[in-house]
Amino acid sequence: DADVTQTPRNRITKTGKRIMLECSQTKGHDRMYWYRQDPGLGLRLIYYSFDVKDINKGEISDGYSVSRQAQAKFSLSLESAIPNQTALYFCATSDWGGSSTDTQYFGPGTRLTVL
Amino acid sequence: QQQVKQSPQSLIVQKGGISIINCAYENTAFDYFPWYQQFPGKGPALLIAIRPDVSEKKEGRFTISFNKSAKQFSLHIMDSQPGDSATYFCAARGSNDYKLSFGAGTTVTVRA
Repeated sequence: DADVTQTPRNRITKTGKRIMLECSQTKGHDRMYWYRQDPGLGLRLIYYSFDVKDINKGEISDGYSVSRQAQAKFSLSLESAIPNQTALYFCATSDWGGSSTDTQYFGPGTRLTVL
Repeated sequence: QQQVKQSPQSLIVQKGGISIINCAYENTAFDYFPWYQQFPGKGPALLIAIRPDVSEKKEGRFTISFNKSAKQFSLHIMDSQPGDSATYFCAARGSNDYKLSFGAGTTVTVRA
């Protein structure tokens, strides 16, 4: 089984709808992240969490919210979806190994289309 | 505004050739520079990484060259193979907040 799973893998929704993307991990990592990928813009950080009680905004958090339900679960919500939130969304985890290592492990992604 | 600028946006190389991808940054507080490889339909995966106290790191056919004074680093793919066809992202980690800033990505196509 995959270490980092995302559901759904694909979603089409309409403007104004609330939508939740879910991420689960079996790696036992404390740190979890949500990114969005857009052509020509790379990966941009939406929110991140270094433990269950820690939630931080990334560079593009407007229009999004998150919930860290447990060490293994980190959900991303779009309260009122808009078309420019159409993108590929990735969840990632990392196990802090000190300053010399910091590998992020990515899920398979969720392709979201907002009509 | 992206903190890490990556070029080119795409490149095509013949099998056996060398692929070179360049990245530049301004923030001197970055302390770790990884490269991620992404195949179509998959999430990115760590390929190779370097710290700024090292000028070069090699793993198999992949080499990172790092120029601290110029604030530039690059990925060289030697003897490029069709299986190397993917999108490559450079990144830099902030020493204060441990967040990764990614470049825009380079799509590499290796022609057989």
